[in-house]
Amino acid sequence: AQKVTQAQTEISVVEKEDVTLDCVYETRDTTYYLFWYKQPPSGELVFLIRRNSFDEQNEISGRYSWNFQKSTSSFNFTITASQVVDSAVYFCALSDYRGSQGNLIFGKGTKLSVKP
Amino acid sequence: DTGVSQDPRHKITKRGQNVTFRCDPISEHNRLYWYRQTLGQGPEFLTYFQNEAQLEKSRLLSDRFSAERPKGSFSTLEIQRTEQGDSAMYLCASSSTRNTDTEAFFGQGTRLTVV
Repeated sequence: AQKVTQAQTEISVVEKEDVTLDCVYETRDTTYYLFWYKQPPSGELVFLIRRNSFDEQNEISGRYSWNFQKSTSSFNFTITASQVVDSAVYFCALSDYRGSQGNLIFGKGTKLSVKP
Repeated sequence: DTGVSQDPRHKITKRGQNVTFRCDPISEHNRLYWYRQTLGQGPEFLTYFQNEAQLEKSRLLSDRFSAERPKGSFSTLEIQRTEQGDSAMYLCASSSTRNTDTEAFFGQGTRLTVV
């Protein structure tokens, strides 16, 4: 069965601190996609990144970076120099490779609070 | 295009009543998904459509729930004989597989409260 675990329920940091959100996944598929979504208080899930299982290259986008390690089934997300606007719930998600990138298994989310 | 649109944003209903939600996906997106999210949890997949065909349904989708996408554009999700346990945020998303597979884009959801 597929499963996504986000062990950190809530994290609170002070602005400008770096913060890493952990994600561990389980799947028997050899081909799959991993995602991170952000859910601000407005409720809309905002796509951040997609990574397929063949691409273990880490990615950096501005203050955001992602570390994908198949050996440990982890796909961690780091925000550098956090800002108050980063406050939201962040979800890690997994999909299989049947072609439906919207059929996602989500973790329970990590609520990030960035204080000024 | 303004993204995925859901209507209504909020719905309060009495237990036992039927409710219907609407989702308008991003134009030209051939896939449409419904999710349910309860407080403190991640979204849970309910069902998805490719064009007008409903291709997959989760076990979460009891026989009181029905979803349609009759013309392959907007979709409706109906809950019959609502129960308090149906109280949740219902999220709709869409994606495209026409040229390259895109990620799913989500709407702002419909928050249902059953009293």
